[in-house]
Amino acid sequence: GAVVSQHPSWVICKSGTSVKIECRSLDFQATTMFWYRQFPKQSLMLMATSNEGSKATYEQGVEKDKFLINHASLTLSTLTVTSAHPEDSSFYICSARDPLRGILKTQYFGPGTRLLVL
Amino acid sequence: RKEVEQDPGPFNVPEGATVAFNCTYSNSASQSFFWYRQDCRKEPKLLMSVYSSGNEDGRFTAQLNRASQYISLLIRDSKLSDSATYLCVVNMEGNTGKLIFGQGTTLQVKP
Repeated sequence: GAVVSQHPSWVICKSGTSVKIECRSLDFQATTMFWYRQFPKQSLMLMATSNEGSKATYEQGVEKDKFLINHASLTLSTLTVTSAHPEDSSFYICSARDPLRGILKTQYFGPGTRLLVL
Repeated sequence: RKEVEQDPGPFNVPEGATVAFNCTYSNSASQSFFWYRQDCRKEPKLLMSVYSSGNEDGRFTAQLNRASQYISLLIRDSKLSDSATYLCVVNMEGNTGKLIFGQGTTLQVKP
């Protein structure tokens, strides 16, 4: 199946620093990638839709100036958490849709990045 | 009301048991439906898509009732390795691929 990677898998940082997370589609080109956040014992919540070559579409309640998304190529999207605070500690997961086999809109997920802000 | 609702469980069943999970969704315009499996501290992985006619994949059977806006997953002959959280997922906007996740139902299969 399609492979999506994320880097890093773990991040521990001090409050106020910025953290960049990369999401790559390894064996297909993804015009659209998605960024989710999952808090313990909760569901995945879509944060934003990342579109190659254009601005990301953010979900209601997600601050676009705090969560910067860049989708500069067909295989890479980045999420930067700016001035991270402890409440930003979460499991961040990206996903991508392979347009050649996405008839039913299935998405392939990266392994996730655990962010802990001290 | 949540867009996709599931009973969080946990469901504790013995090996070999048959277990069923249910899910309801609120938007009648939803187009595609899936069950994903998520293991502890891991990303979700697609278990199966759900079709209106119902579909089966080995020990797993999924069914969709559009009139009732209801999706189900049946697992027969449960294995220890089936222990995980099962996420009901709905595609709300066909062209964008935006997925809405239920909270998940936790299954624990005991020896």
